[in-house]
Amino acid sequence: KQEVTQIPAALSVPEGENLVLNCSFTDSAIYNLQWFRQDPGKGLTSLLLIQSSQREQTSGRLNASLDKSSGRSTLYIAASQPGDSATYLCAVARKTSGSRLTFGEGTQLTVNP
Amino acid sequence: DGGITQSPKYLFRKEGQNVTLSCEQNLNHDAMYWYRQDPGQGLRLIYYSQIVNDFQKGDIAEGYSVSREKKESFPLTVTSAQKNPTAFYLCASAKTPQETQYFGPGTRLLVL
Repeated sequence: KQEVTQIPAALSVPEGENLVLNCSFTDSAIYNLQWFRQDPGKGLTSLLLIQSSQREQTSGRLNASLDKSSGRSTLYIAASQPGDSATYLCAVARKTSGSRLTFGEGTQLTVNP
Repeated sequence: DGGITQSPKYLFRKEGQNVTLSCEQNLNHDAMYWYRQDPGQGLRLIYYSQIVNDFQKGDIAEGYSVSREKKESFPLTVTSAQKNPTAFYLCASAKTPQETQYFGPGTRLLVL
């Protein structure tokens, strides 16, 4: 059974700081890993998708890495802004279950002005 | 505008009542999904469909039912058998199961 863990559960940083969010998963048989952002009471917005054959993906101030062998992914946010405040969720697409996503519980990020 | 819509935004259910949540997409995606989110938790898969007229149970399907009669529509019914239905329900779609999932704005279900 695939389990996804995100550390830390909550993080508060001052504006401008670079930060790293962590995601670990127990089964390396995955198609891809996805990072999402969720604002309070809203749906999820896709940030980055890393295929299992890739090591990293970048979009603007965001960089996500994937180490499939160790079951780890990180989301790096550069020069954080108050508008980055949200919950960040990672999810892995399982090969053994038709690409169904298994989600972590998320990291709640607060960026203070 | 292309995207996924869910309605209603809020839904109230009386004990013993079945209620249906709507999910529509105009992205021409084949795959559609229903998730449940409880406070402070990640998403759990209820049902998913990879093609019209076919759907599969997810991790927590008991007390729920779905249909996929049209490519763009994937309604979820919360039946009276679901004893703890209070949650935030999210619908998603993807071009294929291996690609990015796009989410709707969600429906919050409350029990009276």
